[in-house]
Amino acid sequence: QKEVEQDPGPLSVPEGAIVSLNCTYSNSAFQYFMWYRQYSRKGPELLMYTYSSGNKEDGRFTAQVDKSSKYISLFIRDSQPSDSATYLCAMSVRDDKIIFGKGTRLHILP
Amino acid sequence: DAGVIQSPRHEVTEMGQEVTLRCKPISGHNSLFWYRQTMMRGLELLIYFNNNVPIDDSGMPEDRFSAKMPNASFSTLKIQPSEPRDSAVYFCASRGPYSNQPQHFGDGTRLSIL
Repeated sequence: QKEVEQDPGPLSVPEGAIVSLNCTYSNSAFQYFMWYRQYSRKGPELLMYTYSSGNKEDGRFTAQVDKSSKYISLFIRDSQPSDSATYLCAMSVRDDKIIFGKGTRLHILP
Repeated sequence: DAGVIQSPRHEVTEMGQEVTLRCKPISGHNSLFWYRQTMMRGLELLIYFNNNVPIDDSGMPEDRFSAKMPNASFSTLKIQPSEPRDSAVYFCASRGPYSNQPQHFGDGTRLSIL
């Protein structure tokens, strides 16, 4: 079993829809959970950062962590064409060595 | 502010040649990370430095790969000899002094080994 599993997509949704992106993981020692966004031919940029379980909201983005189920989610409300990118979940034990999912390609259709 | 700067942006070379990738971290950042991204394996950490000292190089695939950080503003990743399976996008990232600060990525070097 891979440490971090993420559906590669592509996921296509109409503009304005709510997007749900998910990852599962196997290592119960993970404590730090992140979501990165990567545009084509660019480096990843950090979107959301969460320590341990719970929810975190930032504008149109909400990150959820369920450590009991080893499952994390990213929700995007009122999706825009500019949200079209690859979204990478990431996690770490001590917040230095980060393990990334392979990413989900998201297309927001105008 | 300038972000993480990587060079070259693209490199195409023949198998067996030496390849050197370069990275200039953000000024004031004291941690530097080298990653490799492929479709098959995703984004993988190769090595990271803290205060110019290599901390964890367990992700370096084999002895053909080496990395150095001679000072706080410059790092290199070298592949010698290169092989076609080394073709990938290589990213450098840097981070400030506190572990809860985010890693900032450069735009990568797209490497093709023929």
